Amino acid sequence: KAGVTQTPRYLIKTRGQQVTLSCSPISGHRSVSWYQQTPGQGLQFLFEYFSETQRNKGNFPGRFSGRQFSNSRSEMNVSTLELGDSALYLCASSLDSRGQQYFGPGTRLTVT
Amino acid sequence: GESVGLHLPTLSVQEGDNSIINCAYSNSASDYFIWYKQESGKGPQFIIDIRSNMDKRQGQRVTVLLNKTVKHLSLQIAATQPGDSAVYFCAENPPSYALNFGKGTSLLVTP
Repeated sequence: KAGVTQTPRYLIKTRGQQVTLSCSPISGHRSVSWYQQTPGQGLQFLFEYFSETQRNKGNFPGRFSGRQFSNSRSEMNVSTLELGDSALYLCASSLDSRGQQYFGPGTRLTVT
Repeated sequence: GESVGLHLPTLSVQEGDNSIINCAYSNSASDYFIWYKQESGKGPQFIIDIRSNMDKRQGQRVTVLLNKTVKHLSLQIAATQPGDSAVYFCAENPPSYALNFGKGTSLLVTP
């Protein structure tokens, strides 16, 4: 089975712009979770989608949003980018949110 | 909010020795715990998990111990190898909530 894939792998944006990141889960997995990873804060949960519905949401501002499509692929969007949004954004998929999560390689976002 | 923390931010061990990485969790409702390994430039990789109805689980060269009384989790790596050098994260999963990750411990294996 192919693993979790994320595109793009690297991205450079300027403040005020918006960005969309994509995640394709492992075939058959219906749960997709997104995390932000920074050196100072570690891995922080953004949100989780299951069968196109957001089931859990972390403590991030409304500039961060996401969605899941019927094929379980997911996107996350960050609007009005700030310098502090520079991070590695990780996507993880699982059969269900309570099971083992498989991570993708991440998208490295740099905001200048 | 409740948090998961690691006792040691860095750990240096000699090749062949055993490694022990510790983790404290604070949510007594957590009933599922996972250890992940993250190498530079990669996403976290699942190592081993344990449910709260167990206090020990073994995998290949790894053992996870769970002490619910003191809310403590540990990962033991036997005969540590250079390829084990990475950052290790513990994560707790309370029911109906998402995984909560600790800050991570960097393991450095020296020859």
